[in-house]
Amino acid sequence: NAGVTQTPKFQVLKTGQSMTLQCAQDMNHEYMSWYRQDPGMGLRLIHYSVGAGITDQGEVPNGYNVSRSTTEDFPLRLLSAAPSQTSVYFCASSVNRGTDTQYFGPGTRLTVL
Amino acid sequence: KQEVTQIPAALSVPEGENLVLNCSFTDSAIYNLQWFRQDPGKGLTSLLLIQSSQREQTSGRLNASLDKSSGRSTLYIAASQPGDSATYLCAVNGEDNDMRFGAGTRLTVKP
Repeated sequence: NAGVTQTPKFQVLKTGQSMTLQCAQDMNHEYMSWYRQDPGMGLRLIHYSVGAGITDQGEVPNGYNVSRSTTEDFPLRLLSAAPSQTSVYFCASSVNRGTDTQYFGPGTRLTVL
Repeated sequence: KQEVTQIPAALSVPEGENLVLNCSFTDSAIYNLQWFRQDPGKGLTSLLLIQSSQREQTSGRLNASLDKSSGRSTLYIAASQPGDSATYLCAVNGEDNDMRFGAGTRLTVKP
């Protein structure tokens, strides 16, 4: 049972490049979400999904896109990377939104030059 | 908007000491509060989840309390060990169902 997996672990991009951060879970959870973690700040919600085909914006969605075609996968796309998107990105999942324990992936450390 | 604050930002204690980490939140209309542990370069591991109707939860040497009306939670760690060294984060699920995190308390337990 792998839990929540994320790839890649590290990534360096140049300003303006695009990329996709991958997230997968094998716990059949309906709720999945993406956070970013910046030094001295708590994690902030970027986008979330309450089930396949359903996504919505969180607190800091600008510059990011998501889709949820299957229960297992929830990729995060950076459309045109900016230095302000340098951060550590975490994917999380739980049975339902807001009421259950959330399980986190190991994170992706992204640097945008 | 819910604001979550954790004090202190860093704490260093000798091994064996009992300690308390604090978390405060501004909006008492919450569903639950969760404490996480984060090791350097790693993801978050859930320690305890307290529903809004509960006053406390216990797991081994950890005890978390919740006072919803005053907007406070504490994480009590008994008989601390060097392996407890990590950053501890609290997160609040509000009635908007969005999880808001504190910035964390970085704990160092010295042998």
